[in-house]
This record gives sequence, C-alpha cells and structure tokens, in this order.
Amino acid sequence: KAGVTQTPRYLIKTRGQQVTLSCSPISGHRSVSWYQQTPGQGLQFLFEYFSETQRNKGNFPGRFSGRQFSNSRSEMNVSTLELGDSALYLCASSLGQLSYNEQFFGPGTRLTVL
Amino acid sequence: AQSVTQLGSHVSVSEGALVLLRCNYSSSVPPYLFWYVQYPNQGLQLLLKYTSAATLVKGINGFEAEFKKSETSFHLTKPSAHMSDAAEYFCAVTSNTGFQKLVFGTGTRLLVSP
Repeated sequence: KAGVTQTPRYLIKTRGQQVTLSCSPISGHRSVSWYQQTPGQGLQFLFEYFSETQRNKGNFPGRFSGRQFSNSRSEMNVSTLELGDSALYLCASSLGQLSYNEQFFGPGTRLTVL
Repeated sequence: AQSVTQLGSHVSVSEGALVLLRCNYSSSVPPYLFWYVQYPNQGLQLLLKYTSAATLVKGINGFEAEFKKSETSFHLTKPSAHMSDAAEYFCAVTSNTGFQKLVFGTGTRLLVSP
C-alpha cells in the first residue's frame, strides 16, 4: 500500500509570493491533518480535515488556508509568504477521525522563503 | 490545554546500552499519548501509543513505554540501543475531544555511539 505522498518535496519562493502544497493520503483514509515543523517552534498543528470539512484549525494567521477534495486529497495554501514561513510542512492521514486513530505522516514539503 | 515536556534535547548512549527518553504530559482530561520517530529528511513514524488500555505499551523496533498517571509521565525505553535507533523522537498528546490534533513535545535527538 502506498504511503502518504506530498508534492513538491522542495520549494523555494520569495517573500510576498503564494504557495500551494499537495497531499495525497493513503488509499481509503478520509482524515488529513497538516503540521508545520520549524527549528524554533517545533511541530505545530495547522488543520484537520475529514470528508471535505475542516474540523479543527491551529493558531495560524489567515494567510494559511487549506481544503480537502472528494477523493480525500488535500491542499494547503500560504499567501503573502514571509521569511518565517520557511519550514517543513507535514501531512498526515488517518483511516478514521477518532483522536486515538494512528496518523501516518508523509515525508513533508520543505519550503524555503527567500 | 494540553502540553508535553521532553526532558533533554539530546541523549547519548552507547550501542547496547539502555535507552530512556523522558516525556511528561499535562492534560485536564484523560490523555492519549504517542511516541513518534523521525529520521533525517523523513516524516514521522509511530512507535507506539497509549489509549487507556494497558499502561505498559509495546511498540515497534523493541521500544516500549509505561503510562504513569501519578507521575504524569510516559517515558520511552529500549533495553539495548542499536546504531539504527539514532534519530529524533517526539512525544505527543491528544485526548478524546473528537479531534486528531496532536500536541508535540520539542523532541529528543538520540545519538548512539559504537
């Protein structure tokens, strides 16, 4: 079974631009979550989606948005990029929506903002 | 609010020695606790989880952890370290709120010397 895939793996943007990151969950998984990982702030929760509905959102500015499609694939968008948005963005998928369901993480997209 | 504290940003052991990585949690409701491992340039992989069943939880690669409510701890152990265990380890907490948001600790980098 294929794991969680994230595209692109690496991305370089400049301040003020916008970016879209993509996540394809494991087949059959309907829950997708996004996390940001930085050396300074560690791993922080961004969003949680289930069946195309955003169920939960972390404490990030409105420049960060996301969505989930009917095939459970998810995208996140960051507009007006800032230097501090440089991070590894991780997507995780889960078979169910319960808190204790295992979340399977993708390899991440490393975003560098210059 | 929930939180996790991982004592020691770096832990060094010799190959064959006991591995002990510390995690203390704070939660106003019964927690679900997880240990994840991250190898360089990869996503997170679940080692084990506590979901209020047995307090001693066995995971993959010979790791185990014990949930101690009185100490609010969930330390990760492995009797004998292997070179391949060198990685970063994250403790995370969530609860039965219906959401899958994981709150992560700051991570502990495990160094294994020959």
